[in-house]
Amino acid sequence: AQTVTQSQPEMSVQEAETVTLSCTYDTSENNYYLFWYKQPPSRQMILVIRQEAYKQQNATENRFSVNFQKAAKSFSLKISDSQLGDTAMYFCAFMKHRGNTPLVFGKGTRLSVIA
Amino acid sequence: SAVISQKPSRDICQRGTSLTIQCQVDSQVTMMFWYRQQPGQSLTLIATANQGSEATYESGFVIDKFPISRPNLTFSTLTVSNMSPEDSSIYLCSGGLGERNEQFFGPGTRLTVL
Repeated sequence: AQTVTQSQPEMSVQEAETVTLSCTYDTSENNYYLFWYKQPPSRQMILVIRQEAYKQQNATENRFSVNFQKAAKSFSLKISDSQLGDTAMYFCAFMKHRGNTPLVFGKGTRLSVIA
Repeated sequence: SAVISQKPSRDICQRGTSLTIQCQVDSQVTMMFWYRQQPGQSLTLIATANQGSEATYESGFVIDKFPISRPNLTFSTLTVSNMSPEDSSIYLCSGGLGERNEQFFGPGTRLTVL
């Protein structure tokens, strides 16, 4: 079975600064997907970024980028130029490559952006 | 992306009653998933709903307690039966979409059981 570990329950960052959220996972699969989801107080789960394990290039989406280390089974999220609207719970998630399979989530990191 | 709606958005229910949550997707999706998020916790998968077949439940979740319907490729319902205060949670549905294998979520249903 797959497991996802987020070791930082809470983090804070000053507005306009950069913050990195950590995620490690355990799997015997060779091909899979990794995701970061954001859940603001509205509780809507918002997909932030997606990484395919067979791609070595790290995914980027505007101010969000990942550092994917497949051998280390590490998948960290970097948020640059943090904004107040980035305040939310962030969940790291794993999905098998077979498609249409459910997500396995980490426990989440609560990020607060401070003005 | 897909737009997923859920009804109701929230409800307060009495112990021993049942509530049915509806999930509507604006695109056809093969699989839909139901998750539970207990207060301050992460998301836990309840079951996978495939159109035309019975739902597949995760360990700790049973059909009698959480019956699921999936009548077509855009709609599913989850019923929380014989509710107790321990069922107070957010219930979210999701659908997997397209070649990018991205899952999109409904806004969730916040259930409080008194």
